[in-house]
Amino acid sequence: ELKVEQNPLFLSMQEGKNYTIYCNYSTTSDRLYWYRQDPGKSLESLFVLLSNGAVKQEGRLMASLDTKARLSTLHITAAVHDLSATYFCAAYCPLMNRDDKIIFGKGTRLHILP
Amino acid sequence: KAGVTQTPRYLIKTRGQQVTLSCSPISGHRSVSWYQQTPGQGLQFLFEYFSETQRNKGNFPGRFSGRQFSNSRSEMNVSTLELGDSALYLCASSFSSGGQETQYFGPGTRLLVL
Repeated sequence: ELKVEQNPLFLSMQEGKNYTIYCNYSTTSDRLYWYRQDPGKSLESLFVLLSNGAVKQEGRLMASLDTKARLSTLHITAAVHDLSATYFCAAYCPLMNRDDKIIFGKGTRLHILP
Repeated sequence: KAGVTQTPRYLIKTRGQQVTLSCSPISGHRSVSWYQQTPGQGLQFLFEYFSETQRNKGNFPGRFSGRQFSNSRSEMNVSTLELGDSALYLCASSFSSGGQETQYFGPGTRLLVL
C-alpha cells in the first residue's frame, strides 16, 4: 500500500525565515506532485518532479526529489505572508494496482506571520 | 485561454439521489482528472481520463463513475448518494510537453448531501 506522510502538518513562521516541508512516501514512485491550496479555494499545481535528484524552483519555493530516500522536500526561502496556504504533496506509483496509484499527504498548513 | 470550468459550483442533494458533475478542460488538453476533498479523508484521487479512456482509477466504490467525451469534456456521476459523499469535487486538466506535465484545476463543485 502506498502511503504518503507530510510533516509538519502545521507550521507557523515569521516572515523572512526559511523552512522545509517534508514528504515521505512508502514505495517506489516515479512522479511526485506539490500543490498549494488557499482557504476555501481550489488546488494550484506547483511542481511535478519526475526523476531522482530533480529540483524545481519558482520564486521563493524550491522542490526536490530523492527517490532513493523516498523523500521530497518543499523549501521556502525568506517567507512572505502571501505564501500562507496549505501545501499538499502527492505520489504516483505506477506499480500499484489500479485503485491505489495516486496518494496525497494530509497537507501542511503554513501560516506566515507578518 | 479560458480555464477549467466546473458545473455546477454548488449542489445540495438528499441521500439516495444521484448527481452528475461536469468538467470542461482547457482547450487542447486531453487529460482530465477528478479528485474528492473532505475534512475527514483529505484529498483523494478519483479517476483520470485521457482521450475518452479511463487511464487510472482511485479506490472508490462503483457508485462513482465517470466518462470523457470526444471534445475532452468529462462528467462524473455518483449514484445512491450517501452523507459521506459531501465534499469538494475538483477537476483538473493537463497536458504533457517535453516530458513535463502541467495541471490546471477548476474551481470545484461543492456537494452537500442531506
